[in-house]
Amino acid sequence: AQTVTQSQPEMSVQEAETVTLSCTYDTSENNYYLFWYKQPPSRQMILVIRQEAYKQQNATENRFSVNFQKAAKSFSLKISDSQLGDTAMYFCAFMPTLNYGGSQGNLIFGKGTKLSVKP
Amino acid sequence: EPEVTQTPSHQVTQMGQEVILRCVPISNHLYFYWYRQILGQKVEFLVSFYNNEISEKSEIFDDQFSVERPDGSNFTLKIRSTKLEDSAMYFCASSGLGVRSSYNEQFFGPGTRLTVL
Repeated sequence: AQTVTQSQPEMSVQEAETVTLSCTYDTSENNYYLFWYKQPPSRQMILVIRQEAYKQQNATENRFSVNFQKAAKSFSLKISDSQLGDTAMYFCAFMPTLNYGGSQGNLIFGKGTKLSVKP
Repeated sequence: EPEVTQTPSHQVTQMGQEVILRCVPISNHLYFYWYRQILGQKVEFLVSFYNNEISEKSEIFDDQFSVERPDGSNFTLKIRSTKLEDSAMYFCASSGLGVRSSYNEQFFGPGTRLTVL
């Protein structure tokens, strides 16, 4: 069974600094997708960034980037120039490969990292 | 920008009562999901739905749960006889196929907070 582990329950960072959130996962599959979701106090789930396992290049979205190490099954999130609005729970999630004609696959989430950005 | 909507935002019910949580997925999406998050815990998959039938379900999704797409827009989760441990945030999500920007991306609704007393 696939599992996702986030080893940092809580982290804090000063505004404008850089922080890295860790995520490891376990799977026997070769093709899959990885995601980082942000959940602010409103509890809305917001997609931050997505990585396809078959792509070697690390995904980036503005201030957010990932370090995807497939062999190590590691998928960390780096937030640069942290802003107060980045304060939230961050969930790492794994999704198996699309099954054509069937389900797109359910997301398997880690337990989350609570990030606090301090002024 | 299209979004997933859920109603109600907060539902309070007595143990043993039936509840129906409603979701309106993004209109051109074909895959629909329900997840739940007990307070302070991780988000857990409940069920996925495609082509008017359940595609996958987790062990949490037992006989007291059911899903339905009664018309072309709504997607509902019914809990027949609620228990205290059903208190959680329930998220609906949907995803599309063939739209590159949303390929394999699940869009989440704002959630329904269910409180069972």
